[in-house]
Amino acid sequence: GAGVSQSPRYKVAKRGQDVALRCDPISGHVSLFWYQQALGQGPEFLTYFQNEAQLDKSGLPSDRFFAERPEGSVSTLKIQRTQQEDSAVYLCASSPRRPGLGHYEQFFGPGTRLTVL
Amino acid sequence: QQQVKQSPQSLIVQKGGISIINCAYENTAFDYFPWYQQFPGKGPALLIAIRPDVSEKKEGRFTISFNKSAKQFSLHIMDSQPGDSATYFCAASMRGFQKLVFGTGTRLLVSP
Repeated sequence: GAGVSQSPRYKVAKRGQDVALRCDPISGHVSLFWYQQALGQGPEFLTYFQNEAQLDKSGLPSDRFFAERPEGSVSTLKIQRTQQEDSAVYLCASSPRRPGLGHYEQFFGPGTRLTVL
Repeated sequence: QQQVKQSPQSLIVQKGGISIINCAYENTAFDYFPWYQQFPGKGPALLIAIRPDVSEKKEGRFTISFNKSAKQFSLHIMDSQPGDSATYFCAASMRGFQKLVFGTGTRLLVSP
């Protein structure tokens, strides 16, 4: 079956522009995560959704970052007034279960590489 | 605050050799320790995972060794192959939270 897909794969933005990154999780997956991966580093957690509810946004670096998943499937990560330090790969992952029922594999998408000039 | 420390940063192993990557964690509430493999331009993919109630888990050529008292775990890749050349990340998470805390990664190169 289809895996997690993300679009666009590459995005170049001028400093100050707003960007929107899309994630299509595996169909039926309850949990959805966003991670930020700086060059040469491990992914860092940004936010987590269980269905349409955003249950954890502790990793969002500033109020310029906003994520939504209005119908419990597709999710969008929006970054307002982009800064150079926002340049990174943004990874989306989905998982079939919700926390509390054990640990379940997170399936990652290929990521969106954002470059802010 | 880096909760999961990974070493080495890079590793070169000859084909057929054993690749060993080490990780250490601080938070004793972690109870799930997966290893992810990432190829350039791709997202991380789960390789193998372990829970702290066992000291070792083996899947094919990949083995995780876990030392709960030392708060350390390691990945061993036996009979390393050029196709294993990738970046490997250890990670940890707590029950009920699911978010993964990743190490900084190890770039493995297996020479033919």
